[in-house]
Amino acid sequence: AQTVTQSQPEMSVQEAETVTLSCTYDTSESDYYLFWYKQPPSRQMILVIRQEAYKQQNATENRFSVNFQKAAKSFSLKISDSQLGDAAMYFCAYRSSYNNNDMRFGAGTRLTVKP
Amino acid sequence: DVKVTQSSRYLVKRTGEKVFLECVQDMDHENMFWYRQDPGLGLRLIYFSYDVKMKEKGDIPEGYSVSREKKERFSLILESASTNQTSMYLCASRLPTGAQETQYFGPGTRLLVL
Repeated sequence: AQTVTQSQPEMSVQEAETVTLSCTYDTSESDYYLFWYKQPPSRQMILVIRQEAYKQQNATENRFSVNFQKAAKSFSLKISDSQLGDAAMYFCAYRSSYNNNDMRFGAGTRLTVKP
Repeated sequence: DVKVTQSSRYLVKRTGEKVFLECVQDMDHENMFWYRQDPGLGLRLIYFSYDVKMKEKGDIPEGYSVSREKKERFSLILESASTNQTSMYLCASRLPTGAQETQYFGPGTRLLVL
């Protein structure tokens, strides 16, 4: 079974600075999707960014970008110009294209943003 | 905007009680999911449903059952609550069309079993 590992339980960043959250995964499949979800305190989990494994180009959404290294099975999230509203729990997730009801989540990284 | 709502944000129950957690989505999604979220473990799939009255077990179905009588509603049932079921429960829904589809989550129900 696929596993997703987030090795940083907690991270902190100064407002306006850049922070990178790490994620690695283990799979023998070639076709899959990777996701970063954000869960603000007491609020709903929302999708931040998505990456298709067959695309070499790294996904970008405004201040959020990923560094996808398929061979290394690494999928890190970079948050630029951090804002107070970025404080949240961030989950990395993997979904197989062969069994797309099976979504695997990492343990999460709690991001604190210091003013 | 997709809306996934859960019947309770916080719930306190006694050991042995039967507990119902309700989830409703308003976007006509075929697929609905129940996850359990625990610190250090992330989200783990309990059950999912891909159509009315259809369900499949996830990774941790023991002690839980589900019901999907209408497309928009997916219920999680704890037949006899135990203290080790104290957790955050998240419902989610999405379209079944492919692995790229965004999964939409409810706000969660924090359940405490005493």
